[in-house]
Amino acid sequence: GENVEQHPSTLSVQEGDSAVIKCTYSDSASNYFPWYKQELGKRPQLIIDIRSNVGEKKDQRIAVTLNKTAKHFSLHITETQPEDSAVYFCAAPPGGGADGLTFGKGTHLIIQP
Amino acid sequence: DAGVIQSPRHEVTEMGQEVTLRCKPISGHNSLFWYRQTMMRGLELLIYFNNNVPIDDSGMPEDRFSAKMPNASFSTLKIQPSEPRDSAVYFCASSFAGSNQPQHFGDGTRLSIL
Repeated sequence: GENVEQHPSTLSVQEGDSAVIKCTYSDSASNYFPWYKQELGKRPQLIIDIRSNVGEKKDQRIAVTLNKTAKHFSLHITETQPEDSAVYFCAAPPGGGADGLTFGKGTHLIIQP
Repeated sequence: DAGVIQSPRHEVTEMGQEVTLRCKPISGHNSLFWYRQTMMRGLELLIYFNNNVPIDDSGMPEDRFSAKMPNASFSTLKIQPSEPRDSAVYFCASSFAGSNQPQHFGDGTRLSIL
C-alpha cells in the first residue's frame, strides 16, 4: 500500500513570511496529490491538489510542487496570515486505480503575529 | 449546494452498545469514503464504495465494524459492540469516481464510547 511521510509536524512562522510543508510517498504509480486544511474541530477542507502530469500549481498565495522522480511534493504558502493557522495534511492514493487516500500525519502551522 | 451530510454530529454511548453513523454524499458523486481520525493514528481510510459497491474494506479494524450503501444517497457505518478504543471522529467523504478526483468531507461524527 501507499506510505505518506509529512514534515515538519509543527511549523511556526512570523506573519507575512512563507511556510513550506513537505511530503514523500512510496507508490510510484500514484497520480494525484491533494492538500487539506483542518481547523480545530472542523472537517478537512481541500485547498489545492495536483495531478502527476504537471510539476507545479498555484492558487493565489498557495502553491504545490511535485517531483515524481524523487516522489515528493510540497505545499508553499506565501505572505502568511493569522487565518492560515491550522493543521495541514497531504495525501496520496495508491496506484493501480484505487481511490482511497493515505494521509500524512499532519503539520500544525502556527502564524505568529 | 449541499455538501456531504453526516449524522449524528456527536454520539456518546456506553461500551457494548451498537452505534450507527450515517452519511449522505454530494448529489452526483458516485464514490463514498469512510475515514476515522484519532490523535494517535491520524486520518485513516476504513472503507470506500464505488457506485454503491464496497471496493476496499482493508482498513476496517475488525468484524465489529460494518458498512453499507443501500443506494446512491445513503451510507451507514455500524459498530457492534462498541468499545472505548473506538472513540474517534468519523468522517465521510464523497467524490466522482476515479483515483484523481477531489474528495469532499462532511463535518464528521465525534464518537465517545464510555
